[in-house]
Amino acid sequence: AQSVTQPDIHITVSEGASLELRCNYSYGATPYLFWYVQSPGQGLQLLLKYFSGDTLVQGIKGFEAEFKRSQSSFNLRKPSVHWSDAAEYFCAGRIQGAQKLVFGQGTRLTINP
Amino acid sequence: DTEVTQTPKHLVMGMTNKKSLKCEQHMGHRAMYWYKQKAKKPPELMFVYSYEKLSINESVPSRFSPECPNSSLLNLHLHALQPEDSALYLCASSQAGTSYEQYFGPGTRLTVT
Repeated sequence: AQSVTQPDIHITVSEGASLELRCNYSYGATPYLFWYVQSPGQGLQLLLKYFSGDTLVQGIKGFEAEFKRSQSSFNLRKPSVHWSDAAEYFCAGRIQGAQKLVFGQGTRLTINP
Repeated sequence: DTEVTQTPKHLVMGMTNKKSLKCEQHMGHRAMYWYKQKAKKPPELMFVYSYEKLSINESVPSRFSPECPNSSLLNLHLHALQPEDSALYLCASSQAGTSYEQYFGPGTRLTVT
């Protein structure tokens, strides 16, 4: 079955530290992959997307993600986090030909001052 | 402009009421989506409209009735809801087809009393 897994429910990092949020996918073929961010009570904002081509994709707000086929992963990274990055982060994927987006369970990011 | 708007922001309704949620986008997208999101969970797909026709219904109870009057508007009509239907209802839109990302609105916080 197609699935997206975010192994970390909650991560805490210090302001200015680097960040990596993990995402693993299980699909028969390479899916389209996305990272979204959601602040409390708000909608989801698209950070970046991977469809094909260069496996390192740049997004908004200084985020990047790397697609690794061998590890079935699409981890999100940021070199230096800011207090405003505290939010819920969702990894999502869908296969070609499908309209349904499959979400991971989300990772809540807390930033320590 | 990548904006999806939703009204109202908050809605409180009794179990015998009839109300509607509204979603609007002016990006020329021809696919629109309704999601339901419970606290601390990822969004769950409810309905997909493609070219103003319902293409996916994720076995949603009939007390939720979607409508797509034109390519820019999406409504969700609510009737005889249950307290467990209280959630954040998110609308999203995308270009038609599957090679495109979805853009989300800010959501409507629904409370059923």
